[in-house]
Amino acid sequence: DSGVTQTPKHLITATGQRVTLRCSPRSGDLSVYWYQQSLDQGLQFLIQYYNGEERAKGNILERFSAQQFPDLHSELNLSSLELGDSALYFCASSVEGSGAFFGQGTRLTVV
Amino acid sequence: DQQVKQNSPSLSVQEGRISILNCDYTNSMFDYFLWYKKYPAEGPTFLISISSIKDKNEDGRFTVFLNKSAKHLSLHIVPSQPGDSAVYFCAASAKGAGSYQLTFGKGTKLSVIP
Repeated sequence: DSGVTQTPKHLITATGQRVTLRCSPRSGDLSVYWYQQSLDQGLQFLIQYYNGEERAKGNILERFSAQQFPDLHSELNLSSLELGDSALYFCASSVEGSGAFFGQGTRLTVV
Repeated sequence: DQQVKQNSPSLSVQEGRISILNCDYTNSMFDYFLWYKKYPAEGPTFLISISSIKDKNEDGRFTVFLNKSAKHLSLHIVPSQPGDSAVYFCAASAKGAGSYQLTFGKGTKLSVIP
């Protein structure tokens, strides 16, 4: 158990819809990262938040957004969903000087 | 443009022998490297890391070697056990960016045969 909690574990939704994925980082970790793993791709970095502020942005589509709340949990919002958005979405958290610890992921299926 | 490459999609090794997983990178700004292990339906699990100021880091059966001039790192698992069968991801970050934003390779699936 990495200490990073993601909900829900599975999500099935239709094209055009909007979903919210939730992540609770390890206790004490200020940084939260979101990654996407598609079938034919490795883990792709999407976005990082540090203590409520956006810190770094990767290959995140404009239809996607994220935020980190005062209690440090984070949400990833995916809108106008397309079939190609079907993937595993991982959240990770870290503290300075350690590696990033990943949650179990949310498997999103867009039908 | 893949900045972190794992050129072997899969590797099979006999139990008790050495497993060597390789990783190459192109970005000279990377200064921190990590290996993750992933089982199906689980998130990646941090295994071992190495800073660019070192050329070797050891943790039990796992050793990571870094060759900066060749921009190459490898993970050695000795002795290999059936429970090591998983997908192994190499990852790198440019620590100066102030975050652990990781760039991952596509993974190598290790199968340890009893």
